[in-house]
Amino acid sequence: AQTVTQSQPEMSVQEAETVTLSCTYDTSESDYYLFWYKQPPSRQMILVIRQEAYKQQNATENRFSVNFQKAAKSFSLKISDSQLGDAAMYFCAYRSGSSGNTPLVFGKGTRLSVIA
Amino acid sequence: AAGVIQSPRHLIKEKRETATLKCYPIPRHDTVYWYQQGPGQDPQFLISFYEKMQSDKGSIPDRFSAQQFSDYHSELNMSSLELGDSALYFCASSSPVGSGGTDTQYFGPGTRLTVL
Repeated sequence: AQTVTQSQPEMSVQEAETVTLSCTYDTSESDYYLFWYKQPPSRQMILVIRQEAYKQQNATENRFSVNFQKAAKSFSLKISDSQLGDAAMYFCAYRSGSSGNTPLVFGKGTRLSVIA
Repeated sequence: AAGVIQSPRHLIKEKRETATLKCYPIPRHDTVYWYQQGPGQDPQFLISFYEKMQSDKGSIPDRFSAQQFSDYHSELNMSSLELGDSALYFCASSSPVGSGGTDTQYFGPGTRLTVL
């Protein structure tokens, strides 16, 4: 079974600075997808970024980018120019590519605080 | 853009009662997933449906059942409720790549169930 590990239960960053959240995963599959979801105090799960394992290019979405290291099974999230609204719980998630509708496996999450 | 709709948003039940949670996926999404998130926990996959058929089954108790209807909405039925069932229940939906989607799961706002 696949597992996702987030080794940083809590992180903090100064407003306008850059922070990197770590995520590693364990799988024997070659076809899979990786995601970062954000869960603010409202508890809504919001998709931040998506990465296909077969793509070498790292995904980016505005201030959010990933460092995908397939051989190392590492998938870190970098948030640039941090804003107060970025404060939330961030979950790394894995989805098998064996079919089009496999469930997500989540890590335990990293709680990010943004300091004004 | 239309999002996943869940109802009710909040539900309070007594032990041993039953509860029904409803999920209306994003239009043209044919796959629905149910996740349970306990306090301070990451979301755990319960069950999923693709084209009205059960697709995958996770850690769903035998007391729970679910189905997807012809209009693609889904209902999670929970019987003999226990205190430990108190959690946030998410529904997510996705559309397969073959139909122009991206397989990405988009989450509803969740139903907060409290069992007293």
